Amino acid sequence: AQKVTQAQTEISVVEKEDVTLDCVYETRDTTYYLFWYKQPPSGELVFLIRRNSFDEQNEISGRYSWNFQKSTSSFNFTITASQVVDSAVYFCALRSSNTGNQFYFGTGTSLTVIP
Amino acid sequence: DAGITQSPRHKVTETGTPVTLRCHQTENHRYMYWYRQDPGHGLRLIHYSYGVKDTDKGEVSDGYSVSRSKTEDFLLTLESATSSQTSVYFCAISEAGTAHNSPLHFGNGTRLTVT
Repeated sequence: AQKVTQAQTEISVVEKEDVTLDCVYETRDTTYYLFWYKQPPSGELVFLIRRNSFDEQNEISGRYSWNFQKSTSSFNFTITASQVVDSAVYFCALRSSNTGNQFYFGTGTSLTVIP
Repeated sequence: DAGITQSPRHKVTETGTPVTLRCHQTENHRYMYWYRQDPGHGLRLIHYSYGVKDTDKGEVSDGYSVSRSKTEDFLLTLESATSSQTSVYFCAISEAGTAHNSPLHFGNGTRLTVT
């Protein structure tokens, strides 16, 4: 079975604080792909990053960084020096080679950055 | 931005009436999906298509049907709308690929209210 858990329903931070959004996944497949999406208050869903199961190298893009750890089945997302524009709902998703047509989403984490 | 257009963007309908939502893409992607988004549930897959006239059910398919007669169009039909189908509906597309690492790209959503 494929499952994605985002245990943090809502997070509030003060601007310029760092914040980490947790994502834990379950799959029995050896080849799979993890994704993060952002949904700002305007409602659109924006693709942020993709990570393959065979590439555990962490990635940094500006203030965003992603920590992929197969040992703990986690793909966490950190925002450094948060800004008000980071306020959004963030979704983690899983797609595996055996269920290649389907994506499995977590329930999302709502992040509010307070000025 | 991926060329995905959903129509209508907003709709209010009465219980028991049929409703059709349309998704049109200009990217020639093979896979198309319909999701619904509800508070506390994140994104849940209704139906998806892996080619013209090829469709399959997702986790919340009851009460919904789909059709794909052309690569670019994917229709979602509520045969007899119920209040539980009040939701925001997102269409998404994804490229084909043996690696299954292509992300989803979403339309802007349709807000449906069933009274």
